[in-house]
Amino acid sequence: AQKITQTQPGMFVQEKEAVTLDCTYDTSDPSYGLFWYKQPSSGEMIFLIYQGSYDQQNATEGRYSLNFQKARKSANLVISASQLGDSAMYFCAMREGHSGGSNYKLTFGKGTLLTVNP
Amino acid sequence: NAGVMQNPRHLVRRRGQEARLRCSPMKGHSHVYWYRQLPEEGLKFMVYLQKENIIDESGMPKERFSAEFPKEGPSILRIQQVVRGDSAAYFCASSSGTSGSTDTQYFGPGTRLTVL
Repeated sequence: AQKITQTQPGMFVQEKEAVTLDCTYDTSDPSYGLFWYKQPSSGEMIFLIYQGSYDQQNATEGRYSLNFQKARKSANLVISASQLGDSAMYFCAMREGHSGGSNYKLTFGKGTLLTVNP
Repeated sequence: NAGVMQNPRHLVRRRGQEARLRCSPMKGHSHVYWYRQLPEEGLKFMVYLQKENIIDESGMPKERFSAEFPKEGPSILRIQQVVRGDSAAYFCASSSGTSGSTDTQYFGPGTRLTVL
């Protein structure tokens, strides 16, 4: 079974509108972290936002927020006031806890290609 | 720039040659991770290293691939006798090793390997 599922291969949004990128995850570990990364056409991977499984509040970082619904195992990324520079691939990733040791390995989804239209 | 450095950014090799990919972690980080990204795919974990130690190489192919992170100098991912299927983007990430799930990994710009 896929550990991270991103069901939207591509998304379009108008400049200045908000957009939600979906991510669902599968784990039986009570301790885990969820990450979103942006990969523009230049290829680098840019860290955007992090949500811990025990965090009580949804994470926010500037125009990025994470809609974390633990019971549904979803961690959707919300980008407000889209800008042309937001056009990129977006990857959701999870790191699961390991009993007796530190967690470290990131498991990535296949990504969503976001296009922001002027 | 104190970010994760990778070189070369692009590497072209013929089948059977060796590829050496280098990664210098972010200043203050002692944990290095290598990931591979095939076209149209997300990143796949390969190996996790700390200084002079391989902690987890469960994602690394058993043959031809090796990684090291010496006491001095960058981490090296080495691919011997490359084949066309090795063509991919190879990303290095580093973290400070903070315990718990808040240990964010920061990525380098990647090395694009093309095998002719």
